[in-house]
Amino acid sequence: KAGVTQTPRYLIKTRGQQVTLSCSPISGHRSVSWYQQTPGQGLQFLFEYFSETQRNKGNFPGRFSGRQFSNSRSEMNVSTLELGDSALYLCASSLSPGMGAKNIQYFGAGTRLSVL
Amino acid sequence: GQNIDQPTEMTATEGAIVQINCTYQTSGFNGLFWYQQHAGEAPTFLSYNVLDGLEEKGRFSSFLSRSKGYSYLLLKELQMKDSASYLCAVGDNQGGKLIFGQGTELSVKP
Repeated sequence: KAGVTQTPRYLIKTRGQQVTLSCSPISGHRSVSWYQQTPGQGLQFLFEYFSETQRNKGNFPGRFSGRQFSNSRSEMNVSTLELGDSALYLCASSLSPGMGAKNIQYFGAGTRLSVL
Repeated sequence: GQNIDQPTEMTATEGAIVQINCTYQTSGFNGLFWYQQHAGEAPTFLSYNVLDGLEEKGRFSSFLSRSKGYSYLLLKELQMKDSASYLCAVGDNQGGKLIFGQGTELSVKP
């Protein structure tokens, strides 16, 4: 069974641009969560999607948005990029929302975004 | 507030045992997770504890004490490939949100 797939793996953008990152969950998984990982802040929760609906949102500005499609694939978008947005963006999928032994989040390898 | 503490770095010798501690103070609790992350790779799931006690899985064991807000990950018979970052995370009461510590960078020396 294929794991979580994130594309692209690497991205270089300049300040003010916008970017869209893609995540394909493990087959059968319907919940997708996004995290930002930086050396200073570690892994921070961005948002969670299930059934094409955002269920939960972290403490990030409105420039960060996302969506989920009917096939459970998800995208996140960052508009008006700032230097501080340089980070590894990780997507995780699970069978359904919530926590539990049957609802472990499995991560993709991430998209490394560099903002110049 | 949400606070998860774990040591920044640890060093251990191949074949030895190492214990990585994690303390947490969070407004909600819905399980304690450990992930392993090699440089440039995806975090991989190691263990999940929701009840007090020890969970053993091969060379890896994880312990939880909810009353003390404390967990540890025990790695036995260390191998060079165990050199990685180990992430402690608490499941929040809000859906699928994981709150992570900063990670412990483990170096295994020959």
